[in-house]
Amino acid sequence: DTGVSQDPRHKITKRGQNVTFRCDPISEHNRLYWYRQTLGQGPEFLTYFQNEAQLEKSRLLSDRFSAERPKGSFSTLEIQRTEQGDSAMYLCASSPPGLAGEQYFGPGTRLTVT
Amino acid sequence: AQTVTQSQPEMSVQEAETVTLSCTYDTSESDYYLFWYKQPPSRQMILVIRQEAYKQQNATENRFSVNFQKAAKSFSLKISDSQLGDAAMYFCAYRSMEYGNKLVFGAGTILRVKS
Repeated sequence: DTGVSQDPRHKITKRGQNVTFRCDPISEHNRLYWYRQTLGQGPEFLTYFQNEAQLEKSRLLSDRFSAERPKGSFSTLEIQRTEQGDSAMYLCASSPPGLAGEQYFGPGTRLTVT
Repeated sequence: AQTVTQSQPEMSVQEAETVTLSCTYDTSESDYYLFWYKQPPSRQMILVIRQEAYKQQNATENRFSVNFQKAAKSFSLKISDSQLGDAAMYFCAYRSMEYGNKLVFGAGTILRVKS
């Protein structure tokens, strides 16, 4: 069990560019979550997958954001036409099947939009 | 919608002493989970302790214990024999048993441990 991994760990981009982040969950975890954390705040939920199905999306997830989880394994989060307000830490978490499964977090991807 | 409030932005404790972090939440549900997560500086978030709302007994994990008051919607974390490695941001989080699986986090409490 190598834990949840995220790539890249840091991303600096210019306003208006597109960025894509990847999350590899713990193997056999069928649930995957994306959260966004701004400085000094708690994480805010963005979206949730069970296997390959995206079951819930937050209102925070504007049309510029899209997430996928093909084949129910790794997931990608893409932000199009980035804005300075998108600067944040993007956290991925995974959990095993069942209501009681706890969420294991990855190290996050820190996005800076200049 | 559920909300989680942590009213202490920052707390300090002397090494080997005990500290309590506060958390209150708002929900209309009767069954749910509550968690405390620890986020050390520049490191990933890890689960400290969890509590199922249907359990009356307060959860304990080594030096960490909770005081769960369901009627008051209060969920505090007590850290005994504080160690330098306990210094981190601590988040209280809520998860519904019925509606989705997302965690709802509070704003966090920075815990500083003095040697």
